[in-house]
Amino acid sequence: QSALTQPASVSGSPGQSITISCTGTSSDVGSYNLVSWYQQHPGKAPKLMIYEVSMRPSGVSNRFSGSKSGNTASLTISGLQAEDEADYYCCSYAGSSIVVFGGGTKVTVL
Amino acid sequence: EVQLVESGGGLVQPGGSLRLSCEASGFTFNSYWMTWVRQAPGKGLEWVANVIQEGSEQHYVDSVKGRFIISRDNAKNSLYLQMNSLRAEDTAVYYCARHVAHRFDSWGQGTLVTVSS
Repeated sequence: QSALTQPASVSGSPGQSITISCTGTSSDVGSYNLVSWYQQHPGKAPKLMIYEVSMRPSGVSNRFSGSKSGNTASLTISGLQAEDEADYYCCSYAGSSIVVFGGGTKVTVL
Repeated sequence: EVQLVESGGGLVQPGGSLRLSCEASGFTFNSYWMTWVRQAPGKGLEWVANVIQEGSEQHYVDSVKGRFIISRDNAKNSLYLQMNSLRAEDTAVYYCARHVAHRFDSWGQGTLVTVSS
């Protein structure tokens, strides 16, 4: 049950694209297409942004996209906006009804 | 509209116990797995436990096994987390969340648990 690895911080200017990586192992990210991403603004509850690697829930902007290659999943935010400044967490199924989160990435809009 | 409202948090001494509750509305509660996720101050999210629809199967993160018990009362649309033998490292905001195919699509606002003497 080790946490997935995310960069501590990523930054970009308005309008740019940024990508957040999420590295796991062959026991979690690499084995299942059950990676999800959450956005959390300070003092607020997390919000589901991406599920099953690349699916967007209704109401989430299409500026958010997800992908996976091997043991690493990625979240890309295109056309970066001020309101995208938040913490982002990846999460993966790890078998036996267990899930594991990443350590989180702080996104700063310059 | 899906709503999840946690309660029961507070200050407790090390070794003490606390029971968290989460009242659900806006969806058919007994059709969904439910989960507790916690967040220590200034730290990231940590999955704590989940329970299947009928309540007969539960799963826990290693650090709380033998100390925490997740349960549910489908007649009351409520989820619970009984926390025993609490430690300083259990200090966190505890969120309940609706669990769908190992993603969490709705979250409560959280309840703060502080373990300190």
